[in-house]
Formats: sequence, structure tokens, C-alpha cells
Amino acid sequence: RKEVEQDPGPFNVPEGATVAFNCTYSNSASQSFFWYRQDCRKEPKLLMSVYSSGNEDGRFTAQLNRASQYISLLIRDSKLSDSATYLCVVPSGGSYIPTFGRGTSLIVHP
Amino acid sequence: GAVVSQHPSWVICKSGTSVKIECRSLDFQATTMFWYRQFPKQSLMLMATSNEGSKATYEQGVEKDKFLINHASLTLSTLTVTSAHPEDSSFYICSAWIGGSSPLHFGNGTRLTVT
Repeated sequence: RKEVEQDPGPFNVPEGATVAFNCTYSNSASQSFFWYRQDCRKEPKLLMSVYSSGNEDGRFTAQLNRASQYISLLIRDSKLSDSATYLCVVPSGGSYIPTFGRGTSLIVHP
Repeated sequence: GAVVSQHPSWVICKSGTSVKIECRSLDFQATTMFWYRQFPKQSLMLMATSNEGSKATYEQGVEKDKFLINHASLTLSTLTVTSAHPEDSSFYICSAWIGGSSPLHFGNGTRLTVT
């Protein structure tokens, strides 16, 4: 099993839709989790940090399920500007190096 | 806070020349810095992990003699692409990590074009 796995998508949704992505991880001892957003030809930008069961920021909600070892990102009322690649990052390995998933592509259309 | 400056933002060079990319953490000290490469429409690929004062750890398939990494201080890491070829054209991004449960902080990236 890969250390961090994401469904690459693309997820193609209309404006206003609610969409959710999952990210599974293999290191059960991981304590901190992050969602990043990457726009085309740009660097990743931190979207949300998750240290306990979850986190909410406006239209974005991140949830952590330790038992099943996955984190999710829920986007409500999708906007065109939400179109991007969403990357999850989980500390992995013996040194807990932040490790990226391959990213999930979201396309929000009018 | 937590600003990472990467320079240059873009560079065009001739085949055979070397290019140096700098990554600086401006307002914090980074235990570790990471270097990534991203080709168009592909995922971010980790090239190497570098810690201040020690040799970088390269990912499988990344040539350490071609991609020289120097981590001179807790705020500066450099990546030198030696004898660049057109296939080295890519988007190179660095990130800095304080350690523990802190997130990664990214530089703006360097777009390298080798002609």
C-alpha cells in the first residue's frame, strides 16, 4: 500500500455542487495532516491543517478518520475558482517526513 | 509569517550550462528543505531531502551528480542543475519544514527552460 493515496479524478462538478475527496494513509502513528491546493503552473498553497478530528473553514471542511486511516476534504457550494488540484500531505516513514499524495483534480464548470 | 523565497522565478539557458536555484526561509529556520520537480500535467515529484550541514538524500532515479544540493544554513538551500539538457526543462519547487507537526512552506517555484 502506498503511504498516501488519492483518487486522481478529475472530479467534474457544476457550480454550487458539494464535492468530497478522500486521502488514505498507511502510517497509523501520523498525527498531523494537511490539505494543499495547487493551481496550474503554481506552487502548492496550504488550504487546511488537521490535527484532531477535523477542521472547518467557510465552505471547506476537513475530517479525519483514524480508524480507517483517511482524511477527507468537503467543498460546499463550489465556485469556478475552486478548480485546482488538491493535495493531501501526511507525515510518513520513521522520520515522519511530510509525504504528498498524487493529488485530486477538481473542475468546476458553469 | 513562514515565507519561503525561491529565486529565480524563471530561467532560460542553453544546453550544457549549469543553473543554480536558491531557496530561502525568510522568517523562520527550517530543519529540512525539500526539492521537487513537476512536469506539465503531472504530479509533484520529490527529488531530494536536505538537512542543514549534511548530504542530501536523493529519491530513486534522481542523479545526485547532476542535481547538486547544498544546504549551507538553516535558512538557505540551493539546487544546481549541472550540464542542463532540454529534458531537464521543468518546474522546480522547494519547500521548507520546521519539523514535527508543522506544515510545509513552499517557494514560488522556478520554471527552467533549456534550449
